[in-house]
Amino acid sequence: DIQMTQSPSSVSASVGDRVTITCRANQAINKWLAWYQQKPGKAPKLLIYGTSSLQSGVPSRFSGSGSGTTFTLTISGLQPEDFATYYCQQSHSFPLSFGGGTKVEI
Amino acid sequence: QVQLVQSGAEVKKTGASVKVSCKASGYTFDDYFIHWVRQAPEEGLDWMGWVNPKSGATMYAQKFEGRVTMTADTLSKIGYMDLTWLSSFDTAVYYCARSFYPLTGTTSLPGYWGQGTLVTVSS
Repeated sequence: DIQMTQSPSSVSASVGDRVTITCRANQAINKWLAWYQQKPGKAPKLLIYGTSSLQSGVPSRFSGSGSGTTFTLTISGLQPEDFATYYCQQSHSFPLSFGGGTKVEI
Repeated sequence: QVQLVQSGAEVKKTGASVKVSCKASGYTFDDYFIHWVRQAPEEGLDWMGWVNPKSGATMYAQKFEGRVTMTADTLSKIGYMDLTWLSSFDTAVYYCARSFYPLTGTTSLPGYWGQGTLVTVSS
């Protein structure tokens, strides 16, 4: 099974900051990496798929990059509504697996 | 628009079973997998498996094999997840999600999520 590791587990930031979250897989997953945003008491929301493709309706301040085993999610110009927990997820092979999450807080 | 509406919260005794439903609308039900993902309190996301509504084929994470059954009723456009032999470790919010890519896609990942169903297991 593929293990996904996110860092940091939490990050303190302010409105307007640039935030970068890293996700590492323990084997190569090509481009099959997605990012989700989850707010308290809500279901996860797909932000990015295929490493860097933005889901419809997601603001362009979100971007993804990477390849192989190391991937990043960048939020450029953090907005109040972006304070949430972010998860990476690989779909290279089953079982699908998620990272442990990164909480972005003030 | 794609919408998935799940059944309400459940409280179960240890050793019992639970069946969660997921009513889909806004897309062609047969053309997309239904994934199930759970989240224990204050924990991360744990993928359980998927069902192909068109064929009935399933794929389960090994940790749930033997205890979980995922099915789909194409006439009523409802997906189901049945989990047996519940223990306190199964206390979690259970989510259904429509796959982002259609059945013919190269891969599959949860794209559109239901609101979640809290299952509480106690002795």
